[in-house]
Amino acid sequence: QITLKESGPTLVKPTQTLTLTCTFSGFSLTSSGVGVGWIRQPPGKALEWLALIYWDDDKRYSPSLRSRLTITKDTSKNQVVLTLTNMDPVDTATYYCAHRRVLTGTYFNWFDPWGQGTLVTVSS
Amino acid sequence: DIQMTQSPSSLSASVGDRVTITCRASQSISSHLNWYQQKPGKAPKFLIYAASSLQSGVPSRFSGSGSGTDFTLTISSLQPEDFATYYCQQSYDTPYTFGQGTKLEIK
Repeated sequence: QITLKESGPTLVKPTQTLTLTCTFSGFSLTSSGVGVGWIRQPPGKALEWLALIYWDDDKRYSPSLRSRLTITKDTSKNQVVLTLTNMDPVDTATYYCAHRRVLTGTYFNWFDPWGQGTLVTVSS
Repeated sequence: DIQMTQSPSSLSASVGDRVTITCRASQSISSHLNWYQQKPGKAPKFLIYAASSLQSGVPSRFSGSGSGTDFTLTISSLQPEDFATYYCQQSYDTPYTFGQGTKLEIK
C-alpha cells in the first residue's frame, strides 16, 4: 500500500522560505518511471501543479514559480522536499504531494495516491 | 503551458441523473488526460487515465472519452456519493496542468 504524508510549518511570514517534506512508503523513488509531485490548492480554488521529481533525479517545475521552487529527494529516507522562497499571502494554500504512476511501456501518467495535504498560511 | 478549460464550472443534478462534464485543452494532448474527484476537505481521488481508462475500483457508471483537445467525463446515473468537484489534468507535457474544476451539486 502506497502512502504519502506532507509535513512542515502551518504558518509562515511574508518573505520567508517554506520547506515542506513528503514522507512516503510503499514504493521506491529509485524504480524506473516513478516520481513524486507537489500540487497546491488555495482555499476554495483549483488545483495548481507545482513540481515533479523523477526516479532518475530529473526535475520539472511550474514555469510561473520556477525561480522560487526547488524539489529534491532523499531516497534513503523515502522523502521528497519542496522549498518555496519569498512567500506571499497569495501562496496560502493546502499543499499536496502525490505519487506519480506511469503505465508501463507508455507515457501515460497520473497522480495516485495523494497525501492528505497540509494547509500553509502566509501572514505576518 | 497547456491551458485546460472545464465546463460547466458548476452543475446541479439529481440522484439518478446522467451528467457530462467537458474539458478542453489549448492544444492537442492526444489521449493524455486524467480525471480526479475531490470531496470537501479531502485530497483528490484518481478516477480515469488516458482519457477513457478507469482506475481499478472506480464504479462503471463513470466513463471518459475524447482525444486531441476535447474530452468528457460522464456519470451515467448519479449516486449520492458522486456529489463532489471534478478536475481534469493533462499529462502530455509539463507543467501537467489542471482544469479549474466542476462542482457537482445536489439539485
